[in-house]
Amino acid sequence: GAVVSQHPSRVICKSGTSVKIECRSLDFQATTMFWYRQFPKQSLMLMATSNEGSKATYEQGVEKDKFLINHASLTLSTLTVTSAHPEDSSFYICSAGTGADEKLFFGSGTQLSVL
Amino acid sequence: QKEVEQNSGPLSVPEGAIASLNCTYSDRGSQSFFWYRQYSGKSPELIMSIYSNGDKEDGRFTAQLNKASQYVSLLIRDSQPSDSATYLCAVIKAAGNKLTFGGGTRVLVKP
Repeated sequence: GAVVSQHPSRVICKSGTSVKIECRSLDFQATTMFWYRQFPKQSLMLMATSNEGSKATYEQGVEKDKFLINHASLTLSTLTVTSAHPEDSSFYICSAGTGADEKLFFGSGTQLSVL
Repeated sequence: QKEVEQNSGPLSVPEGAIASLNCTYSDRGSQSFFWYRQYSGKSPELIMSIYSNGDKEDGRFTAQLNKASQYVSLLIRDSQPSDSATYLCAVIKAAGNKLTFGGGTRVLVKP
């Protein structure tokens, strides 16, 4: 299957700092990438859809000014958690599809811990 | 009603037995259905996709789809301890690749 690379895999930061997470499609171009958040023992919740060259589409209840998404190229999308607080501590996962079918491939995830 | 529902489990099965997982969805217009496996602390990995009514087999896995009843199931034959994980059912309602996940079913395969 297609490879999606995500890093860092783990971040520990102080409250009030900003954290950037990168998601790259390594062997294909992705016009659309998706960002999910997963709290312990819960399922994945879609946060936003990242579209190359245009603004991201955020799900209801997700603060667009807090979770900044940039999709500057066909192989890279970034999620920046601004002014992180302990309640933002979660597992963040990106995904992308090749466009050939509807299958999505996931990055390895980023465990964010805000102290 | 949740858009995609699964029994949270845990579903405990002995090694070598068949594990049967079920998933129901609310949007009758859903077209694409997926099963993902997720180990603790890891991201989901795609196991199966199914798009039309009936059964689809891939190795030890069989997905079953019944659009009239709005359910999709996953059978794991000859269950192994390495199959112990959370299995996520996911649905795409329309073109656009926007996946909606169920809450997941935790499976425990006991040696």
